[in-house]
Amino acid sequence: EVVLTQSPATLSLSPGERATLSCRASQSVDIYVSWYQHKPGQAPRLLIYDASNRATGIPARFSGSGSGTDFTLTISSLEPEDFAVYYCQQRRNWPPLTFGGGTKVEIK
Amino acid sequence: EVQLVESGGGLVQPGGSLRLSCAASGFTFSSDGMHWVRQAPGKGLEWISYISRSSDTIHYADSVKGRFTISRDNAKNSVSLQMNSLRGEDTALYYCTKGPNQWGRFDFWGQGTLVTVSS
Repeated sequence: EVVLTQSPATLSLSPGERATLSCRASQSVDIYVSWYQHKPGQAPRLLIYDASNRATGIPARFSGSGSGTDFTLTISSLEPEDFAVYYCQQRRNWPPLTFGGGTKVEIK
Repeated sequence: EVQLVESGGGLVQPGGSLRLSCAASGFTFSSDGMHWVRQAPGKGLEWISYISRSSDTIHYADSVKGRFTISRDNAKNSVSLQMNSLRGEDTALYYCTKGPNQWGRFDFWGQGTLVTVSS
């Protein structure tokens, strides 16, 4: 099973700042990492798939990069609606599909 | 507009059974793979089951294998999860999700249905 480790667990930032979230895999997953945004009381939303592809309707301030075992989600300038929990997920080796533990982006 | 609407959650005693359903609309249901993902209180996301568009490929997480059964009805645009021998650790919000067939990614999620296993 591929274990995904996200860091930091919590990121405290102000609107307008840049957010950099990390996801590390226990073995190579090529480019097959997706990122999801999850707000309380809402359904999770796909942001990025296959490391760097923005999903339909996702603003350009969200970008993804990485390959192999190290991946990054960057939010170039935080908007008030971006404060949420973010999960990475791999599909290179499944079943099982696995998620990271999440990074909470909170308002500083 | 894509919609996934889960139903069937509730309170059940340990060892009991529950059947979750997910009604899909706004897309070609028979083209997509369907998954169930859950989130226990205060925890992260956990994938638990997948069914391919033609039901010829089915996968389960080890935590539910042998207790849960996924199925789908393409004529009714629905997917179900039969949950037997429920345990306290199955308490969670259960999400129905869809993605490209045979690809393990979740393009769209429902709002979830809450399952509570407690005596």
